[in-house]
Amino acid sequence: DVKVTQSSRYLVKRTGEKVFLECVQDMDHENMFWYRQDPGLGLRLIYFSYDVKMKEKGDIPEGYSVSREKKERFSLILESASTNQTSMYLCASIPGVGRDAVKLFFGSGTQLSVL
Amino acid sequence: DAKTTQPPSMDCAEGRAANLPCNHSTISGNEYVYWYRQIHSQGPQYIIHGLKNNETNEMASLIITEDRKSSTLILPHATLRDTAVYYCIVRVPPDDYKLSFGAGTTVTVRA
Repeated sequence: DVKVTQSSRYLVKRTGEKVFLECVQDMDHENMFWYRQDPGLGLRLIYFSYDVKMKEKGDIPEGYSVSREKKERFSLILESASTNQTSMYLCASIPGVGRDAVKLFFGSGTQLSVL
Repeated sequence: DAKTTQPPSMDCAEGRAANLPCNHSTISGNEYVYWYRQIHSQGPQYIIHGLKNNETNEMASLIITEDRKSSTLILPHATLRDTAVYYCIVRVPPDDYKLSFGAGTTVTVRA
């Protein structure tokens, strides 16, 4: 089975800190995504990457950046964390081709609290 | 991108069929309809997808209207473990890398 692993399940940070959220997938998928999820708002796309060193803005990229130096790893960076970035962050991957090219595989999420 | 509209919530009795509607009136000819669900404290899970024909797999059935402006996800025999938020999205695979989810439908299956 495809596994998408997010480095932390819960994270507490202070306002102004630089925060790194890490995501690793083990199935050689080309495409990776970062979403945030807030009550009543569903999942909102922050950034996605369709190849190493390639990235595209999603719907709400402000205040975030990403890094994809290796195919299996996609990092979300909060340069200066703010309280309005308190949220559940979900990473996902999907292959570019093949039978599973229609299925997003999600990690379990990181609940980030910014105090 | 085509937008989707789903009811915010619905209840279903255990053992009965659950019919989840989704409106996608602006869908274009090459966009597929996808359904995912998210059980509490877990990441979303793929359920099923289709273009224009009805589809069935081990989890659910997908009925798409002839004009493709709406669809219905059917859980044939709902169980308590089907309690989740269900998302309907449209996408053009594999070129549309941007996948956006709306608020979904919160389905509560009651014993």
